[in-house]
Amino acid sequence: DVVMTQSPLSLPVTLGQPASISCRSSQSLVHSDGNTYLSWFQQRPGQSPRRLIYRVSNRDSGVPDRFSGSGSGTDFTLKISRVEAEDVGVYYCMQGTHWPTWTFGQGTKVEIK
Amino acid sequence: EVQLVESGGGLVQPGGSLRLSCAASGFTFSSDWMSWVRQTPGKGLEWVANIKEDGSEKYYVDSVKGRFTISRDNARNSLYLQMNNLRAEDTAVYYCATPRSSSFDYWGQGTLVTVSS
Repeated sequence: DVVMTQSPLSLPVTLGQPASISCRSSQSLVHSDGNTYLSWFQQRPGQSPRRLIYRVSNRDSGVPDRFSGSGSGTDFTLKISRVEAEDVGVYYCMQGTHWPTWTFGQGTKVEIK
Repeated sequence: EVQLVESGGGLVQPGGSLRLSCAASGFTFSSDWMSWVRQTPGKGLEWVANIKEDGSEKYYVDSVKGRFTISRDNARNSLYLQMNNLRAEDTAVYYCATPRSSSFDYWGQGTLVTVSS
């Protein structure tokens, strides 16, 4: 199975400051169809996961533009340009390239300093 | 609006069985693959099983093969997970989710399964 490794696992940030989360995969996430199926999810306290980004850099409807995704191959990044209080939670990356065993990263907990 | 509502969780003894259900609405259920994903404090998020639109293809994570069965009833817009021979490590919140564009775009609120004596 493809192992997804996130860093850091805990990220204290100051309101209004940027934040960055790294996600690395043990195998390339480039699919035979040419797409790269790397997604990012946000899980606020007490809530279900919510998808923010799909196919590396595509924001889901309703996701603020302060969230952006980038990367290629095995290295990916989620950036929050200016952290707001509502961004507190755990963020997960997930690979959907290697069917059917899609795998998630361990999660990165974002909290306000 | 897409809605996925899980039910059927609870406390069960090791070796016991439980059947989870997921009621879907707000989309054409019979046209979509469906999935179960679980979340444990120790292992985080883990994909459990997928089922094709017509039920003709099913896939499972290795740790549940032979014990769990995913099924669906398109007439009732419902997804199921029959869990047999449950183990302590199956303790988790179980979510149903829609696997589209090689990702999960909608999730239910989850149902808690606790396996303990």
